[in-house]
Amino acid sequence: AQRVTQPEKLLSVFKGAPVELKCNYSYSGSPELFWYVQYSRQRLQLLLRHISRESIKGFTADLNKGETSFHLKKPFAQEEDSAMYYCALGDDNTDKLIFGTGTRLQVFP
Amino acid sequence: DGGITQSPKYLFRKEGQNVTLSCEQNLNHDAMYWYRQDPGQGLRLIYYSQIVNDFQKGDIAEGYSVSREKKESFPLTVTSAQKNPTAFYLCASSIRGGEQFFGPGTRLTVL
Repeated sequence: AQRVTQPEKLLSVFKGAPVELKCNYSYSGSPELFWYVQYSRQRLQLLLRHISRESIKGFTADLNKGETSFHLKKPFAQEEDSAMYYCALGDDNTDKLIFGTGTRLQVFP
Repeated sequence: DGGITQSPKYLFRKEGQNVTLSCEQNLNHDAMYWYRQDPGQGLRLIYYSQIVNDFQKGDIAEGYSVSREKKESFPLTVTSAQKNPTAFYLCASSIRGGEQFFGPGTRLTVL
């Protein structure tokens, strides 16, 4: 079954600390993975997708097929990174996205 | 913040009533989606449509209905058969294989 697991509901760090938001997936085909972010009072928006291999706002995520993971990382957290982060798995036949339950990141000054 | 709009922002419904949530996009996207967002449960797919006049059930379609008569519009009806309709509803659209763009959402409350 297709599934996305985000084990942490809440992650709290201080400004300048490294951040890693965990995401594991279950998918039988070739996975396409995304991170979406929802800042307070803003729309859900794409942060990054694994095929683009970009660094957005200092965040990176590497697809590890052996560990079926797509963890989101940032070496030095900023207060403006505080938001809800969702990992999502794409179904390449239907364009559906399967979302994890989300992790709320709180960055304290 | 144009592109994809949802209305109304807040909606109140009495028990036993059907209500329709609007979703419109001017991005010329073929695909449109409806999700339900509940605290601690993430986003769950209700219905999706990859092309006009066609749509498929998502993971939690029971108690909901949709139509896709126009490319720009994908309204969602929450029927009285939906046992727990109070939630935040998100609409999204995309080109095939592309990034999904989300609307601002509608918060539905059953009184």
